[in-house]
Amino acid sequence: IAGITQAPTSQILAAGRRMTLRCTQDMRHNAMYWYRQDLGLGLRLIHYSNTAGTTGKGEVPDGYSVSRANTDDFPLTLASAVPSQTSVYFCASSEGAPGIEQFFGPGTRLTVL
Amino acid sequence: GQNIDQPTEMTATEGAIVQINCTYQTSGFNGLFWYQQHAGEAPTFLSYNVLDGLEEKGRFSSFLSRSKGYSYLLLKELQMKDSASYLCAVRDRDYKLSFGAGTTVTVRA
Repeated sequence: IAGITQAPTSQILAAGRRMTLRCTQDMRHNAMYWYRQDLGLGLRLIHYSNTAGTTGKGEVPDGYSVSRANTDDFPLTLASAVPSQTSVYFCASSEGAPGIEQFFGPGTRLTVL
Repeated sequence: GQNIDQPTEMTATEGAIVQINCTYQTSGFNGLFWYQQHAGEAPTFLSYNVLDGLEEKGRFSSFLSRSKGYSYLLLKELQMKDSASYLCAVRDRDYKLSFGAGTTVTVRA
């Protein structure tokens, strides 16, 4: 693994189903973030974690949950997917909470039907 | 919260200069960032300003005026590979980023 990876690359999901998007980084970064990107709206922060064991809500947290059991992994779960959650999801990490540069994963394209 | 505005699209000729403006209103300012995003790819970091003035990095420069809530990204000697979206982002005192919708720059031969 080099940098930050996400899985799956893309997914089509039926409404009402549960889905977990995976994110793993090997840079030993303390802070990790989940964003969604929608046309015309830009990137919006869903949840974040400044260090392992802690999480916080971003701008659009409803319908999503996260956990941070260790430094490397930061999964995002949709408990019961709805069509409005169709989006491209990016995971990012930075060296610290005040880290200057956020490194982004390649993204997961999720379609909820 | 943050309110960040930037133009939706800009077009320029190869070899030319383009300036992308970004204005923001924020309840707590702690830095301004520019990211580049090619179509279908992840954003990548370009520049960071926390104090007023110009930061230069090769063909790219970024300017900040905190009193005016204004920044610009200057791209010089445009190349075809510079065709991308450019995202302005403001960091708050909790170190969270808020992004503008992005400016799509098209470079023409």
